[in-house]
Amino acid sequence: DAGVIQSPRHEVTEMGQEVTLRCKPISGHDYLFWYRQTMMRGLELLIYFNNNVPIDDSGMPEDRFSAKMPNASFSTLKIQPSEPRDSAVYFCASSFRVGPYEQYFGPGTRLTVT
Amino acid sequence: AQSVTQLDSQVPVFEEAPVELRCNYSSSVSVYLFWYVQYPNQGLQLLLKYLSGSTLVKGINGFEAEFNKSQTSFHLRKPSVHISDTAEYFCAVTGNFNKFYFGSGTKLNVKP
Repeated sequence: DAGVIQSPRHEVTEMGQEVTLRCKPISGHDYLFWYRQTMMRGLELLIYFNNNVPIDDSGMPEDRFSAKMPNASFSTLKIQPSEPRDSAVYFCASSFRVGPYEQYFGPGTRLTVT
Repeated sequence: AQSVTQLDSQVPVFEEAPVELRCNYSSSVSVYLFWYVQYPNQGLQLLLKYLSGSTLVKGINGFEAEFNKSQTSFHLRKPSVHISDTAEYFCAVTGNFNKFYFGSGTKLNVKP
């Protein structure tokens, strides 16, 4: 298996622009997670899905952020409009089942908003 | 509610010396504990996990961790580190609902 795939790996955009981050989970995994990593706040869970349905979005910082999972093999995280404080590394992870199952992380998307 | 505290933000150590990275957790329910490693510009990779059974857990790259329920700790150890172990290490706890709670991370800096 290719592992969790994220695109793009790097994104530089100007404040006010829309940004879309993409994730393909490992085939057969029922859970998908979006995390944000910054120096100040560390690793934060933004939202997670089970069988394409959002379960917990309490970590989404504000209405400018939205996430979708239209099918089992694709998810997007969208920021509109983007702000400089959104600059971070965004990780997608997936796991097999409920409970103590390892989460497999993608390589991340480094977002810079100028 | 569950939470994880990693007591050291940075740990400098010389090559071939032993190291311990500390992790304490809080939880009102049964826990499962994990250690992940993040190399520069990469995602997180699983080092080891404790689910049940023996409290001493062995992972990849010579790392091991000991689950101590009375002290609510899950410290990570390696008897002899290498330059290649330089990375950031994250402790995580979860219960039965698959939401992980990660610690703030410990940066291990191995010096020659």
